[in-house]
Amino acid sequence: RKEVEQDPGPFNVPEGATVAFNCTYSNSASQSFFWYRQDCRKEPKLLMSVYSSGNEDGRFTAQLNRASQYISLLIRDSKLSDSATYLCVVTPFTDKLIFGTGTRLQVFP
Amino acid sequence: EAGVTQFPSHSVIEKGQTVTLRCDPISGHDNLYWYRRVMGKEIKFLLHFVKESKQDESGMPNNRFLAERTGGTYSTLKVQPAELEDSGVYFCASSQVPGGEETQYFGPGTRLLVL
Repeated sequence: RKEVEQDPGPFNVPEGATVAFNCTYSNSASQSFFWYRQDCRKEPKLLMSVYSSGNEDGRFTAQLNRASQYISLLIRDSKLSDSATYLCVVTPFTDKLIFGTGTRLQVFP
Repeated sequence: EAGVTQFPSHSVIEKGQTVTLRCDPISGHDNLYWYRRVMGKEIKFLLHFVKESKQDESGMPNNRFLAERTGGTYSTLKVQPAELEDSGVYFCASSQVPGGEETQYFGPGTRLLVL
């Protein structure tokens, strides 16, 4: 079983739509949680950290459920520029990042 | 401020040859990480340097891979001899302090193709 599981997609949504991505992780001792964004043939870039209390950054909302070992990302009012692969990332008790395979989002006009 | 840089951007070599990848972290970042993405798989951790010391090398696939960070600045990752399954994108990342709360900044990656 993979340490971090994501639906690979692709999710094809029209501009203005709301889209949600989910992720589960297997190590209950995981300490930190992130969503990274990766554009085609580019490096991953941090989108936002994820906290149990939930956090919001503009159109993006992330949520963590430690009991269910579940992480979510909600994107509201999708833009064409949101098209990318979204990577769910956790860290165990060490500093290394554990990545999911990513969920591909394509926003169309 | 310059970001993480990697060289070369692409490398095509034959099986059995040697390739050396280089990473220059953001200036002042003591922590340097190597990751790899093989086609169709997730990005996987290879190793972590704190300055010139290897903090965690649990992700190194085998002894054909050798990473160094002499002087605690740039790092090299050498693959010798390269095998077909070594093909993929090798990312380097750096951070100022260790720990999950500190953002790791990634370089653009080196795309390695072993024929």
